[in-house]
Amino acid sequence: EAGVAQSPRYKIIEKRQSVAFWCNPISGHATLYWYQQILGQGPKLLIQFQNNGVVDDSQLPKDRFSAERLKGVDSTLKIQPAKLEDSAVYLCASSLDFRRGVNYEQYFGPGTRLTVT
Amino acid sequence: QKEVEQNSGPLSVPEGAIASLNCTYSDRGSQSFFWYRQYSGKSPELIMSIYSNGDKEDGRFTAQLNKASQYVSLLIRDSQPSDSATYLCAVTPFGGGYNKLIFGAGTRLAVHP
Repeated sequence: EAGVAQSPRYKIIEKRQSVAFWCNPISGHATLYWYQQILGQGPKLLIQFQNNGVVDDSQLPKDRFSAERLKGVDSTLKIQPAKLEDSAVYLCASSLDFRRGVNYEQYFGPGTRLTVT
Repeated sequence: QKEVEQNSGPLSVPEGAIASLNCTYSDRGSQSFFWYRQYSGKSPELIMSIYSNGDKEDGRFTAQLNKASQYVSLLIRDSQPSDSATYLCAVTPFGGGYNKLIFGAGTRLAVHP
């Protein structure tokens, strides 16, 4: 079974530029997550999709970050304009589903390492 | 108070010893608990999940959960140099969203020959 795919693996941009990351979840997984992991910290959830709908985007900086999952499969996360503090690894994860009271394990992709100079 | 706390380490243990990693969490209503292993430069890999009080064993790994003390731990028996990594504790809080994970900052484990 193929895992979560992400691209690109690395990206270097200057501040105020824009950047986009792509994620393809495990086949059949309805729920997709984007996390931000700053060096030395644990991953922090940015946004969670169920199929093509947003479940939780409470920690997404909406003035500069946007994400979509138009057909309920692939997803794109965009940053515009980037700031120095956006330098981090952006991780995509997926789970079979989500439902209160039911435990679904999340599996992570390889991540995209973003450096903003 | 951080929602999920872990000692950053490094925790250094000799090969063959038992490594004990600890995690405390602040939300008493937390539902599910996970341990992820993250090698340097790699993404987190799920190694254990535990949902009820007590112990859960899987090979050399044992997860322990005590909800009354808001404490979860991971024991690694017969530690190997290949176990050297950062171990992330993650918790699903009650009322914090569906299947949402809150991560600790991780404990770095170093197993020396």
